[in-house]
Amino acid sequence: GNSVTQMEGPVTLSEEAFLTINCTYTATGYPSLFWYVQYPGEGLQLLLKATKADDKGSNKGFEATYRKETTSFHLEKGSVQVSDSAVYFCALSDNGGGTSYGKLTFGQGTILTVHP
Amino acid sequence: DGGITQSPKYLFRKEGQNVTLSCEQNLNHDAMYWYRQDPGQGLRLIYYSQIVNDFQKGDIAEGYSVSREKKESFPLTVTSAQKNPTAFYLCASRRPGPSNEKLFFGSGTQLSVL
Repeated sequence: GNSVTQMEGPVTLSEEAFLTINCTYTATGYPSLFWYVQYPGEGLQLLLKATKADDKGSNKGFEATYRKETTSFHLEKGSVQVSDSAVYFCALSDNGGGTSYGKLTFGQGTILTVHP
Repeated sequence: DGGITQSPKYLFRKEGQNVTLSCEQNLNHDAMYWYRQDPGQGLRLIYYSQIVNDFQKGDIAEGYSVSREKKESFPLTVTSAQKNPTAFYLCASRRPGPSNEKLFFGSGTQLSVL
């Protein structure tokens, strides 16, 4: 079955530091890949996505590239802010069709804390 | 404003009691989902529904039940058979169509056992 593995957290950085959160996946077929962000006490929000190999998703200074050869979708940001403190989830979408369509498989989440 | 509303925000369950979590959306989305979130385990799919009056079990459906009588509503019942119900529960919905993969999430319900 499908699975997503994220780097162990929590991650603690100083403001303006470079961020990388690793994500690798196992899937049959050609899944779409996502990063979602969860702020304290809230639901998840889509941060960025990529639907095919070599696509780069980007939003709010965050980027991730769909690497089929390494089955990875690492999240990066060049200069983090205190307001980026949240939990980040990598996920993939089952594009196999039928009744399973649209199901997301999530990684375990990575807690990011950014200090001033 | 359109969105997904979950209620209550906090819920306490007594031993042997069934409790129902509400999820309502006014986004006109066909598909709706229930996820359970436990610390360090990410989100796991409980049940999902692609259309009114139809739903399928997810990965951890045991001890839970759902109904989908209206497009806007997808309530989740945590039954007494669920022995470890303490978790954060998230409802989500999605627009129809193969290109619409983004999930819209509610703000969640924290369920605890008394």
